[in-house]
Amino acid sequence: QVQLVQSGAEVKKPGASVKVSCKASGYTFTSYGISWVRQAPGQGLEWMGWISAYNGNTNYAQKLQGRVTMTTDTSTSTAYMELRSLRSDDTAVYYCARDRWELLPMDYWGQGTLVTVSS
Amino acid sequence: QSALTQPRSVSGSPGQSVTISCTGTSSDVGGYNYVSWYQQHPGKAPKLMIYDVSKRPSGVPDRFSGSKSGNTASLTISGLQAEDEADYYCCSYAGSYRVFGGGTKLTVL
Repeated sequence: QVQLVQSGAEVKKPGASVKVSCKASGYTFTSYGISWVRQAPGQGLEWMGWISAYNGNTNYAQKLQGRVTMTTDTSTSTAYMELRSLRSDDTAVYYCARDRWELLPMDYWGQGTLVTVSS
Repeated sequence: QSALTQPRSVSGSPGQSVTISCTGTSSDVGGYNYVSWYQQHPGKAPKLMIYDVSKRPSGVPDRFSGSKSGNTASLTISGLQAEDEADYYCCSYAGSYRVFGGGTKLTVL
């Protein structure tokens, strides 16, 4: 069965960076991409970006351009999302989701990773 | 990349039908037949309920249906059940990015 297992909760200081991992299993990793979505406490879902696990192509949300980098390691079927220059309003649950872009949107989701940014 | 517009809340009694709207622009909802809907219960990850405007993934009850007219997509839930109480989000493909709606809280009275 398809599973996406994310890394554990993180606490970071303003200005620091965080890197969240998402290990996929149960399907051919390189046949899909991974989207990252975040949800601030009590707020809605915000799409952050997408990476193709086939060729590493990326699409990022305009507001995060320059602060976010998404990568994949096909040898371990793991996707990573790094967010730099953290601010308090980056405090959120971060989700990864399997995403075949035009062919099929986010159909399986990870369990979420809480990132808290606090001094 | 502005968020799609959804009503903050809707409600209905068990057995009734409710419809949630999702309004975008010709650059997102109106420009592609790639609108999806997600259900999220408190503390849980979102679940895909509808994709490509009106297609249901395997396992999603046929009480859930989707449609689109112009720049507005809609999710209709018929035969409301208590377990349908959740937050619902629309999401549209927009070429080089995706955009979510602000979310709608469905209350089953």
